[in-house]
Amino acid sequence: GENVEQHPSTLSVQEGDSAVIKCTYSDSASNYFPWYKQELGKGPQLIIDIRSNVGEKKDQRIAVTLNKTAKHFSLHITETQPEDSAVYFCAASRDYKLSFGAGTTVTVRA
Amino acid sequence: GAGVSQSPSNKVTEKGKDVELRCDPISGHTALYWYRQSLGQGLEFLIYFQGNSAPDKSGLPSDRFSAERTGGSVSTLTIQRTQQEDSAVYLCASSSGAGGSPLHFGNGTRLTVT
Repeated sequence: GENVEQHPSTLSVQEGDSAVIKCTYSDSASNYFPWYKQELGKGPQLIIDIRSNVGEKKDQRIAVTLNKTAKHFSLHITETQPEDSAVYFCAASRDYKLSFGAGTTVTVRA
Repeated sequence: GAGVSQSPSNKVTEKGKDVELRCDPISGHTALYWYRQSLGQGLEFLIYFQGNSAPDKSGLPSDRFSAERTGGSVSTLTIQRTQQEDSAVYLCASSSGAGGSPLHFGNGTRLTVT
């Protein structure tokens, strides 16, 4: 099955700086790559997703890049704000089943 | 509109007891998933429903775990003879299709087995 690895496990950034989270996947047939944000006591919320026919996608301060050849994808958050502090999960799938990375705890320092 | 609703939000039970966790998906969503999240860990797939059928139960940890879905809507995850290692947050998600459709998660049920 699919194996998704995510780095780093924790990330502390100064408010206003950028944050980058990287994921690799094992199944070359995977074609859907969503990112989720989970705040304390809540379920994961989709923040952005990308499909295999696209190399990059941007939505305001967040962007995701995909390198299918290398089988890795990344989340970029620019101009970080305190409300960006949360746990972020990457995921990959080829069909109905999403396989998740272990998560990155992002702390934005004021 | 209403999101995925899970109940109870918290459940404390004694080892050996049975528990039922409920999930109300977004109306019209045909796909429903159960995931488990242990403290500080990622999300572990348990089971996938398409309509009332469960074509993939491969993630259920043991035969103490079962799930059903009725009317293409509400789902119940049942854990029999609970063990301490069952303590976790159980998350339900629904989506409008199968592959490549975003999953919408509920806020989970935090299960503590004492």
